[in-house]
Amino acid sequence: GNSVTQMEGPVTLSEEAFLTINCTYTATGYPSLFWYVQYPGEGLQLLLKATKADDKGSNKGFEATYRKETTSFHLEKGSVQVSDSAVYFCALINMSNDYKLSFGAGTTVTVRA
Amino acid sequence: DAGVIQSPRHEVTEMGQEVTLRCKPISGHNSLFWYRQTMMRGLELLIYFNNNVPIDDSGMPEDRFSAKMPNASFSTLKIQPSEPRDSAVYFCASSLGQLLSYNEQFFGPGTRLTVL
Repeated sequence: GNSVTQMEGPVTLSEEAFLTINCTYTATGYPSLFWYVQYPGEGLQLLLKATKADDKGSNKGFEATYRKETTSFHLEKGSVQVSDSAVYFCALINMSNDYKLSFGAGTTVTVRA
Repeated sequence: DAGVIQSPRHEVTEMGQEVTLRCKPISGHNSLFWYRQTMMRGLELLIYFNNNVPIDDSGMPEDRFSAKMPNASFSTLKIQPSEPRDSAVYFCASSLGQLLSYNEQFFGPGTRLTVL
């Protein structure tokens, strides 16, 4: 089946630090990959996505590259802000055998001023 | 655009009581999803509606759970009777697109349910 594994948190950083959240997946074929963000008290929002190998998704200074050879989709941001404090979810969808989103467990990120 | 609206935002009830969660999807969207989020199990899809018809309810945990979508602008998730293990955050999401295809889902703020 389809599954997503992401690094456990919580992650605590200082402002302007570099952030990486690792995400690896298991799926047959060519899934589409996503990062969602959940700010405190809110629902999930799509942060970025990539639909084929070597695609780079980017948004709000965050980036992730679809690496089929390592089945990974790591999220990075070069200089985090306090407003980036949130829970980040890696997810995939594999339209070849399912239409449902498969989510990772989520990584809580706290950025201190 | 008001986004997906859920009510109540918080619900505290006692074991055995009936709980009804409500969702108003984004106007014009034709797909609606109910998710449950817990620390132990993460985010789970409970049920998926397309054009008000339940398409996949395989994620509904047991017969105590039921969901309806009487029209395009309203859906309910009911738990009867409720149990402490139902305590979770329940999200509703909506999207616009074809049946059984992926289209960006827009999530509501969630209902935090506590069953004592």
